Amino acid sequence: ILNVEQSPQSLHVQEGDSTNFTCSFPSSNFYALHWYRWETAKSPEALFVMTLNGDEKKKGRISATLNTKEGYSYLYIKGSQPEDSATYLCASLAGKLIFGQGTTLQVKP
Amino acid sequence: GAGVSQSPSNKVTEKGKDVELRCDPISGHTALYWYRQSLGQGLEFLIYFQGNSAPDKSGLPSDRFSAERTGGSVSTLTIQRTQQEDSAVYLCASSLSAGGPPQYFGPGTRLLVL
Repeated sequence: ILNVEQSPQSLHVQEGDSTNFTCSFPSSNFYALHWYRWETAKSPEALFVMTLNGDEKKKGRISATLNTKEGYSYLYIKGSQPEDSATYLCASLAGKLIFGQGTTLQVKP
Repeated sequence: GAGVSQSPSNKVTEKGKDVELRCDPISGHTALYWYRQSLGQGLEFLIYFQGNSAPDKSGLPSDRFSAERTGGSVSTLTIQRTQQEDSAVYLCASSLSAGGPPQYFGPGTRLLVL
């Protein structure tokens, strides 16, 4: 059974704070790691797809790193803004895409 | 189309009735996925299609659930004899192919079984 775990479950930060959350996944049979952003009342939106150990991707103030040997990925948000408030989902692909429970971020102005 | 569309957007039904949920993927996407999110839970994989074939049906919760895809495009998820625990948001996603490429999600169908 493939378990994808995310922590923390929820996070409240002030506008301007930088934050990061963790996604852990079994390192065996790894193929790809996906990050999605899911705003309330909207559909999940793909942020990154990462495949290589040591991979680092960036989109604006959001970046992610990948360690396939130890089975974790970090998502960083620099200078959080209220519009960053959402649930951030990671998903590991090993045959099929298995999602974690998500980290819900609330950024207070 | 511009994105993945799903219909209906909301469905209220009585326990024991059958429901059909529809998904129109992005044109050219060969892979199509069904997920559901029950209240307070994460995304739960149900089934995916590569073309019209469903290589993995392992997520379907019971034999009351079935799905089909025709013409490599539209998919329908059918729930027979609905139960209250079937109440959830049912999300469909599509991608260029199964596996690596990112998935593009539809707006979901909110199903409430009374």
